[in-house]
Amino acid sequence: EAAVTQSPRNKVTVTGGNVTLSCRQTNSHNYMYWYRQDTGHGLRLIHYSYGAGNLQIGDVPDGYKATRTTQEDFFLLLELASPSQTSLYFCASSEVAGYERLFFGHGTKLSVL
Amino acid sequence: GQQVQQSPASLVLQEGENAELQCNFSSTATQLQWFYQSPGGSLVSLLSNPSGTKHTGRLTSTTVTKERRSSLHISSSQTTDSGTYLCASYGSSGNKLIFGIGTLLSVKP
Repeated sequence: EAAVTQSPRNKVTVTGGNVTLSCRQTNSHNYMYWYRQDTGHGLRLIHYSYGAGNLQIGDVPDGYKATRTTQEDFFLLLELASPSQTSLYFCASSEVAGYERLFFGHGTKLSVL
Repeated sequence: GQQVQQSPASLVLQEGENAELQCNFSSTATQLQWFYQSPGGSLVSLLSNPSGTKHTGRLTSTTVTKERRSSLHISSSQTTDSGTYLCASYGSSGNKLIFGIGTLLSVKP
C-alpha cells in the first residue's frame, strides 16, 4: 500500500504568517497533488506536479506556492497566510494521472487567526 | 467547468440495510472514482469505475457514462461503514480529479 505522509498534522498561525506544509510519498509515484477541503466545497485542487521540478496550476491556486523538490517530496507554501486559508489540506499521489488510484495523506488542519 | 453532484447529502440506515449513493457529473468522464472519508478525516480510494459495473466486497459501482451518472451500492451496511462517500471524476482536461461534496452515511446499530 502506498504511503503518503504529511506534516504537520495541525498548524496554527496568524494572519500574514508563513507556513510550509510538507508531503512525502514512498512509492515513487509520478503525480503528487495538494487539495484543500472546506465545508460545502468538497476537495479542491490547489497545485499538482508530475515530477521533480514540475509544477501545474490547480483550480484554486491563489495565495499558494508549491515546489516538488524530489520524486518523493512536495511542499505547499503560504507566504502571507490569510484567514480564508483556514482549511483541511490533503496531499495525494498517484502513479499516472487519469486512470490510477489516488493515495491520500492524513491531512493537515491549518488555522489562520 | 466540470461539476460533480452527489445525492443524497446524508443518509441514515439501520445496520444490515443497503445503501444506494448517486453521483452525476457534467462532462464525459475519463475516469470515475469513489472514495471513503472516515469520521476522523482520512481518505481512502474505494474503487475506480469509468463505465459498467464493478464489485469489491460489499460495494458495487455502476457507471453509465453516456448518462453521466454513477452509483455506489453498499450491501448489508455495518456501523463501520459510517462516514462520507466522495465521488470524483476526471474532466475533459485530463489530469485533474473533480470531487463532489459527498454523501454522509450514518449506520446505526
